[in-house]
Amino acid sequence: AQSVTQLDSQVPVFEEAPVELRCNYSSSVSVYLFWYVQYPNQGLQLLLKYLSGSTLVKGINGFEAEFNKSQTSFHLRKPSVHISDTAEYFCAGGGGADGLTFGKGTHLIIQP
Amino acid sequence: DTGVSQDPRHKITKRGQNVTFRCDPISEHNRLYWYRQTLGQGPEFLTYFQNEAQLEKSRLLSDRFSAERPKGSFSTLEIQRTEQGDSAMYLCASSFTGTVSYEQYFGPGTRLTVT
Repeated sequence: AQSVTQLDSQVPVFEEAPVELRCNYSSSVSVYLFWYVQYPNQGLQLLLKYLSGSTLVKGINGFEAEFNKSQTSFHLRKPSVHISDTAEYFCAGGGGADGLTFGKGTHLIIQP
Repeated sequence: DTGVSQDPRHKITKRGQNVTFRCDPISEHNRLYWYRQTLGQGPEFLTYFQNEAQLEKSRLLSDRFSAERPKGSFSTLEIQRTEQGDSAMYLCASSFTGTVSYEQYFGPGTRLTVT
């Protein structure tokens, strides 16, 4: 079965500090990988995606992620976070002719 | 590009009633997906359409759930005889098969509360 695992349900970090949100995927998930952000009471917004090619992908709002095939990981990073980054972040895999498989999400909490 | 829209945004219903939600995809998108998101969880895939054809429906949660996309544009998701366990956010997404990744764009969701 396809699975995407987000290892941390909550990540607190101080404003302007760097952050990494972890995501691991099962090898059965087709290797299209995505990170989405969800603000309270809103739908999901795509941050970035990995399709093929360069393993370092850059997205919106200063986020980037690195695809690591040997570790089956796709961790999300930002060098300096802001209060406005407080949200729920979801890693997802698949797509194509099927729905996405999502992780359970990581709540990023920015502390002033 | 007006994005994916969903109606209503919120729905409160009593147990046993039927509810129907509508999704309008981005106009040029031929694929449409439905997901359910419960509190503290990621979205869970339910079904999808390519144009008017429903190509995957085995993941619908029970036979009380059904979806249609009669003209290949908007879609409706119906839940019959609602139960308290159906309380969740129902998300719609659309995509275009002309892009390699079939990147999905999500609507704001319909929050269902069953009392």
